Amino acid sequence: AQKVTQAQTEISVVEKEDVTLDCVYETRDTTYYLFWYKQPPSGELVFLIRRNSFDEQNEISGRYSWNFQKSTSSFNFTITASQVVDSAVYFCALKENNNDMRFGAGTRLTVKP
Amino acid sequence: SQTIHQWPATLVQPVGSPLSLECTVEGTSNPNLYWYRQAAGRGLQLLFYSVGIGQISSEVPQNLSASRPQDRQFILSSKKLLLSDSGFYLCAWSVNLFGLETQYFGPGTRLLVL
Repeated sequence: AQKVTQAQTEISVVEKEDVTLDCVYETRDTTYYLFWYKQPPSGELVFLIRRNSFDEQNEISGRYSWNFQKSTSSFNFTITASQVVDSAVYFCALKENNNDMRFGAGTRLTVKP
Repeated sequence: SQTIHQWPATLVQPVGSPLSLECTVEGTSNPNLYWYRQAAGRGLQLLFYSVGIGQISSEVPQNLSASRPQDRQFILSSKKLLLSDSGFYLCAWSVNLFGLETQYFGPGTRLLVL
C-alpha cells in the first residue's frame, strides 16, 4: 500500500528563518517516484521537484533543498531564508509504477514579515 | 510549451443542479488526464483519470462522471449536485516517458454547492 505522511499540518515562521517540511512515505516497491508541489493562495499546484528511488542525491535549487533518505523513507524539503512569498500549502506525493499518485495531506506554511 | 486550462474559475450552484467543468490541454498529444478534488483545508483526492479518448477510470464511486470526447479535453459532470460536492477541482495532465511521469496542474475550479 502507498502512503504519504506529512505530520506537520501548519508551520509558521518569521521571514529569513529556515524551515523544513517533513514527508515520510510507505511503499513496498523498489521503483517509485517522489514529488513536491506548492499550492499558493491562488490554488494552482506548482510542480517543484521529482526524485526517483534510485537517486538519493540531495538536491539544491536556490533557496530550496531536498533531503531524500531511503533508510528512513523520508523526503524532506527545506527552505532557507524563507520569504513571505513562500507562504503556501506544500504537498508531498508518491507514485509507484502502475499506481496512481498519492498525495500527503499537505503542510500549510506561513511566513510572517 | 504545454498549458492547461480550466473553466469556469468559480461556480456557485444549487443542490440538485447539473454540473459541467471543462479542462483542455495545449501543446502535447495523447496526455494522461486527471480530475482531483480538494475539500477545504484538505489534501487531494483522485476522482478520475484517462489514458486516452473515451477511456475513463473512476477512483471513487459518487454522483460525478467524467468524459474525454477529444484527445486534449476532459470534462467532469454531474446530473444532480450534492452539498458534499463543494470543493476545489483540479485537472492535471502528464505524459509517461519510459516510466517517468510528472503531473502538471491547471488553475482549478472552486465549486460551491448551496
